[in-house]
Amino acid sequence: QKEVEQNSGPLSVPEGAIASLNCTYSDRGSQSFFWYRQYSGKSPELIMFIYSNGDKEDGRFTAQLNKASQYVSLLIRDSQPSDSATYLCADYSGGGADGLTFGKGTHLIIQP
Amino acid sequence: DAEITQSPRHKITETGRQVTLACHQTWNHNNMFWYRQDLGHGLRLIHYSYGVQDTNKGEVSDGYSVSRSNTEDLPLTLESAASSQTSVYFCASSERGGPSPLHFGNGTRLTVT
Repeated sequence: QKEVEQNSGPLSVPEGAIASLNCTYSDRGSQSFFWYRQYSGKSPELIMFIYSNGDKEDGRFTAQLNKASQYVSLLIRDSQPSDSATYLCADYSGGGADGLTFGKGTHLIIQP
Repeated sequence: DAEITQSPRHKITETGRQVTLACHQTWNHNNMFWYRQDLGHGLRLIHYSYGVQDTNKGEVSDGYSVSRSNTEDLPLTLESAASSQTSVYFCASSERGGPSPLHFGNGTRLTVT
C-alpha cells in the first residue's frame, strides 16, 4: 500500500528562521508532489507542487524533490506566526484520483 | 468568484440514521471528490466522480454512497450512520484528474451518537 510519511510534530521554529518540513514516500512510481497548508478548523489550501528533481521556489517557499531518495521537503524562509498551521504532503503516482495519497501532516508552530 | 460549498457545516445524528452531506461547486469542474479527515489518519478518499453519471469508490467507501446527476453537485450519503463515521468530511474538485490541484470546501463536521 502506498504511504506518505511525515513527522507529526509539533515542529517549533522561531520567527524569522527557516522552517524545514520533510516527507518521504513509498511508491517509486510517484510522479508529482503537493504541499497543502491547513489552519486549525479550516480546509487544506495548496501551497506548491513539484514534478522534477531539484528545487522549486515561490516567494518564501521552496519545495525540494529527490526521487532517488524518495524524499520531498518544504522550506519556509523568514517564518511568520501566520505560517503556524499543519502542512500536508501528498503524492500522485498515476491511475486517476485514487493515485493521490496524503500524509498525516506536520504541525508547525512559529514562535514570536 | 467560483467556489465549493458544503452543507451543513456541523451535523449531529444518531446511529442507524441516513445522512446526506451536500457539496456544490461553481468551478464547472468535472472532477469531484469526498475525503474524510481523522486524527492519526490524515485525509482519506471516500468516493470520487469524473463527470455526470460517473462514480468510483475510494479507499474507505464502505457505508457511503454518492450520485452525480449534474456537474455542480456530489452529495455524500451515509446509508446507516455508525459511530466510526464521526469525522470531518471535505468535498473537493479539480479541473482534471490526476496531478491537478484540488479545491476544497470548508468541511462538514459530523458527529454520530
